[in-house]
This record gives sequence, structure tokens and C-alpha cells, in this order.
Amino acid sequence: QSALTQPASVSGSPGQSITISCTGTSSDVGGYNYVSWYQQHPGKAPKLMIYEVSNRPSGVSDRFSGSKSGNTASLTISGLQAEDEADYYCSSYTSSSTYVVFGGGTKLTVL
Amino acid sequence: EVQLVESGGGLVQPGGSLRLSCAASGFTFSTYWMSWVRQAPGKGLEWLANIKQDGSEKYYVDSVKGRFTISRDNAYNSLYLQMNSLRAEDTAVYYCARLSDYANFDYWGQGTLVTVSS
Repeated sequence: QSALTQPASVSGSPGQSITISCTGTSSDVGGYNYVSWYQQHPGKAPKLMIYEVSNRPSGVSDRFSGSKSGNTASLTISGLQAEDEADYYCSSYTSSSTYVVFGGGTKLTVL
Repeated sequence: EVQLVESGGGLVQPGGSLRLSCAASGFTFSTYWMSWVRQAPGKGLEWLANIKQDGSEKYYVDSVKGRFTISRDNAYNSLYLQMNSLRAEDTAVYYCARLSDYANFDYWGQGTLVTVSS
């Protein structure tokens, strides 16, 4: 069982927007602004999409945005495209000895 | 261009050992914390270990403490993971990743598969 809770799957049609949630506790998501989101295509390495809750690395489309409220962080993808179909993982710094915890991952299907 | 290339994975029997390597290029390796993260087949990501720029600080997840050792050689721009007393549940793809700021892995290698089975 993962430390952060994500929905197993979400889906949307091209052009639509979707949001993936990531729920933790006050010891991780709620306590720090160190939430990251990663995209992983099958057989590939994860790719950083969002860091520190809402910042995008250079080269990441502005269709990807992040936010946080309390113990829940969210990733929103607007204007869905076929190439967005992938697994998405959230992570957070944690005050526990684990240092960083991940969510279980969410499979995004573009219909 | 930042590149991280892992090697050293393979099939090992339970109780055996394996040493993974990660060759870094395209950035000043000695100025970054580095990490190992793994992913069991069909499962999510699990952080394993961090090492400070000069190797003076190392941190591990509880499940590998005492069995795995992270190390680095800045002269060779290389990161290592020595894995001992391997168990079936250690079967996974092992990634090296560059750690940028707090718990933010900004570059990842392609991964190397470790299979622990008799």
C-alpha cells in the first residue's frame, strides 16, 4: 500500500481537461510544498512534470498544472492529447525517515 | 544533455549480491545529491537511497537498510548501489535519479532490471 493515495485510473477525451488527485497527510503533502508529479510511458523512465506543487520544468507543456489544498495535491492536464496517455505518479517529501513517498500511480486513458 | 545510464542488473539467486552502476554525463556530477529508486513489475515507484555530493551523508528506506549500500565516485561521475542478501521482493527495475532540491528527481536513467529468483 502506497503512502500517498491516487485514483487507479482516469480518462478523458481529446481536448478535455482531467484532474488527478494525490492525498497524503500533514507529515507529507499537507506539511510541505515539495510535491512532484511524474509521467511514465510504458517501458520508459519517469519524467518530471511538476515540482514544488505547481512549478513546471523547462520544456514541459503549460497544459500541465499543479495545485494543493490541505493534504491533497492535484495535477490538471488541459487540452488532452493522445500522447498524454501514460501513468502519473505524485510524490512528496516526508518528515518520516522515508524521506520521499510516492503515490500508487494513476493510469490516464485518452479516449 | 543530462544522461544517466544504469548497468549491472540481471538474474541473481535469493541471498545473492549484485552491484549496480550509473554513469552520469552532461552535468557537474559532484554538485548534486543522487538517488536510487525502484519499481517492481506492474507496481509503483519506491525511493531507496540518497547520497550527498561528497558521499558524507547517506539515507535509506527501512526495507533496504543494512542490505544495500549507496556510494559514488565523483572522479568517474559514477553512482553505485551494492545490494546484498537479495530477496524475491527486491525484483524490480532500478533507476538512478538526480536529486534537485527537496525530494524532486529531475532526471532519471532508463533503468536496469534486477530479478531475484532461484
